[in-house]
Amino acid sequence: AQRVTQPEKLLSVFKGAPVELKCNYSYSGSPELFWYVQYSRQRLQLLLRHISRESIKGFTADLNKGETSFHLKKPFAQEEDSAMYYCALYTGGFKTIFGAGTRLFVKA
Amino acid sequence: SAVISQKPSRDICQRGTSLTIQCQVDSQVTMMFWYRQQPGQSLTLIATANQGSEATYESGFVIDKFPISRPNLTFSTLTVSNMSPEDSSIYLCSVETGGANTEAFFGQGTRLTVV
Repeated sequence: AQRVTQPEKLLSVFKGAPVELKCNYSYSGSPELFWYVQYSRQRLQLLLRHISRESIKGFTADLNKGETSFHLKKPFAQEEDSAMYYCALYTGGFKTIFGAGTRLFVKA
Repeated sequence: SAVISQKPSRDICQRGTSLTIQCQVDSQVTMMFWYRQQPGQSLTLIATANQGSEATYESGFVIDKFPISRPNLTFSTLTVSNMSPEDSSIYLCSVETGGANTEAFFGQGTRLTVV
């Protein structure tokens, strides 16, 4: 079955602390994975994709096929990182499966 | 990329009535997707709308409750029928560009409150 699991509904960290948002997937093919973010009063938008292997706003995510994981990390969280984060799996056929989402709250 | 205009942005409706949400894309797309999002919570896919054919509904969603139209490759509507307070939610329209650099784009959402 194709599935994306985000085990944490809420993650609260202090400003400057490291943050890791967990994501695990289930997919029989070669996965294309993404992180989407929704800031307050803004529309859902792409944050990063594993293919690009880039750092966006200090965030990185490494695809670990052995553990079927795609965790999102940032070494020093900022208050403006507070948002809803969705891990997503593209299954082809113009269809993306989204995880349940994790709300990140960065405290001052 | 794709720019999606969705309207209305919000509405307050009486129970038992229906609301139609419109979604306009600035480019032709094969599939359009309708999601429901409880504020600050997960996205739930309602249905996939293809032009020229009936929408495909996910488990738990039926055409009688959420009829969808897709008259052309840039436009779709979702109707929430016979509303009850449990239908209060944010409804999102989305498209997927597909291809090597695929990306999902979303409308700004319709915040529906049923009283």
